[in-house]
Amino acid sequence: QQQVKQSPQSLIVQKGGISIINCAYENTAFDYFPWYQQFPGKGPALLIAIRPDVSEKKEGRFTISFNKSAKQFSLHIMDSQPGDSATYFCAASTYNQGGKLIFGQGTELSVKP
Amino acid sequence: DGGITQSPKYLFRKEGQNVTLSCEQNLNHDAMYWYRQDPGQGLRLIYYSQIVNDFQKGDIAEGYSVSREKKESFPLTVTSAQKNPTAFYLCASSIRTSGSYNEQFFGPGTRLTVL
Repeated sequence: QQQVKQSPQSLIVQKGGISIINCAYENTAFDYFPWYQQFPGKGPALLIAIRPDVSEKKEGRFTISFNKSAKQFSLHIMDSQPGDSATYFCAASTYNQGGKLIFGQGTELSVKP
Repeated sequence: DGGITQSPKYLFRKEGQNVTLSCEQNLNHDAMYWYRQDPGQGLRLIYYSQIVNDFQKGDIAEGYSVSREKKESFPLTVTSAQKNPTAFYLCASSIRTSGSYNEQFFGPGTRLTVL
């Protein structure tokens, strides 16, 4: 029930295309859903986060879509660039465990020129 | 600059040896975490600490130990009891663990290899 399932495990997208990464969860108590971006050999960094009171959040080329009834959320990267090539992790948490996150398995994104 | 530092960047250990990974933060965060990262398995929580002199086991604590004697420091010891210690280890911190939605800030990681 504490798991967050992420797919796909790897993704190859052409420059300018849309990258889509999906996550699903079971615990309905989760109410905070961040996405982290990790470049090779580095620590992850927060990219964008959403709470379930909204269905979508956009920051530049990055958008989170959230479907509360389906218990799913996804990251969309518009106009994907080679510099976006990285591993992306979704995560989930609750207000009472605000700093303790449950991470998905990660998606390795490669954007080809 | 505020942030999290981990040392060393690379660490090699012989089987049967204990090794200690360093993690220091100057963000004045109360909470600190240790994760292990293996390919295809995401980040798995080893230990976390919400306050000085207190820490809790995460999902994969067996074979590891920690201490939290100072707010800014949270070292991780990988003991000889850890059967498969080769991995990338990440330290993180956040303002606190409960009562709000807190961003975790990560260090650059330590890659441990058992020879």
